[in-house]
Amino acid sequence: GENVEQHPSTLSVQEGDSAVIKCTYSDSASNYFPWYKQELGKRPQLIIDIRSNVGEKKDQRIAVTLNKTAKHFSLHITETQPEDSAVYFCAASNPQGGSEKLVFGKGTKLTVNP
Amino acid sequence: DAGVTQSPTHLIKTRGQQVTLRCSPKSGHDTVSWYQQALGQGPQFIFQYYEEEERQRGNFPDRFSGHQFPNYSSELNVNALLLGDSALYLCASSLGSGSAFFGQGTRLTVV
Repeated sequence: GENVEQHPSTLSVQEGDSAVIKCTYSDSASNYFPWYKQELGKRPQLIIDIRSNVGEKKDQRIAVTLNKTAKHFSLHITETQPEDSAVYFCAASNPQGGSEKLVFGKGTKLTVNP
Repeated sequence: DAGVTQSPTHLIKTRGQQVTLRCSPKSGHDTVSWYQQALGQGPQFIFQYYEEEERQRGNFPDRFSGHQFPNYSSELNVNALLLGDSALYLCASSLGSGSAFFGQGTRLTVV
């Protein structure tokens, strides 16, 4: 089955700096890659997602890149702000068979220092 | 739009008991998935329901069962609770192969 590895497990940056979180996946048939932000005690919130027919997607300060050959994808946050502090999870999904089962990485705790 | 709602928000049960958790999907969504999130870990897929049928199941024992109703809402049942079942249980809804949106979760504590 699918396995998703996420690095780093913790990341500390200064406000205004960029943050990059990387994930690798094992199932070459996976074709959907969402990123979720989870603040303490709150629900995972979808912040951006990408499908395998696209190499990069941007939404304001957030971007995701996908390298299907290497089976890895990354989240880039520019001009970080203290409110970006949270745990970020990557996930991969192979919807063959009709299911959108998400396999998650173990998460990255991002701390943005003022 | 109320989004995905789950009830209850917190629950304390004793080992061996049974529990039922409930989920109402986002308006217009027809697919409900359940995940278990242990402290400090990513969510783990339990199962997914579509058209009132279990479509796919993760690596969870038969003590975990579910149901989807005609209005697309769903229940997760766990029998013979173990201490290790203590976790945050998340429900996610989607429309077909669209993006999944999570509820706020039910924090289950087994003592």
